[in-house]
Amino acid sequence: AQKVTQAQTEISVVEKEDVTLDCVYETRDTTYYLFWYKQPPSGELVFLIRRNSFDEQNEISGRYSWNFQKSTSSFNFTITASQVVDSAVYFCVLNNAGNMLTFGGGTRLMVKP
Amino acid sequence: EPEVTQTPSHQVTQMGQEVILRCVPISNHLYFYWYRQILGQKVEFLVSFYNNEISEKSEIFDDQFSVERPDGSNFTLKIRSTKLEDSAMYFCASRPNRLGQNTEAFFGQGTRLTVV
Repeated sequence: AQKVTQAQTEISVVEKEDVTLDCVYETRDTTYYLFWYKQPPSGELVFLIRRNSFDEQNEISGRYSWNFQKSTSSFNFTITASQVVDSAVYFCVLNNAGNMLTFGGGTRLMVKP
Repeated sequence: EPEVTQTPSHQVTQMGQEVILRCVPISNHLYFYWYRQILGQKVEFLVSFYNNEISEKSEIFDDQFSVERPDGSNFTLKIRSTKLEDSAMYFCASRPNRLGQNTEAFFGQGTRLTVV
């Protein structure tokens, strides 16, 4: 069985602060993929980033960066210099050897001006 | 940019009625999915579909649910006799290929189903 845990249900920051969203996953598979999706107030699910299990190199893409630590089964996501438009629910998602995506419970991020 | 399209955006139905939620996946994609999100809760997997058959389904996807790809473009989810607890946002998604080729799933805007 696979599981994704996002311990932070809600985070509130002030604009321009950096914020890190935590994600811990469980899977027995050796090959798997991890994603972060954003769900803005309008409700759609927007793909942000992906990482595969055999590449632990951390990357930066614009204001987004992620820290994948296979040893601790964590896939944390950081937004640098947050903006009000970043306010949304963020989902960490695991895709194992099957064809199914397992979503975490989501973290609601509120960025205040 | 290609996108997954879902219709209607909002459907209200009476308990016990049948509903069909429609999706047009991205045209060259091979794998299709339905997920649902009860208000304020997590996104739950319902079913995946490949090569004109179900490849995986969750325990939520019982006999009241069915999926179909009636032509080359549409992918539908039917709920035969809706219950109040079926009220949720239903998301369709597609991806071009299987895990192993490092691709993400593209989601539609969702259909909000309200059962009264």
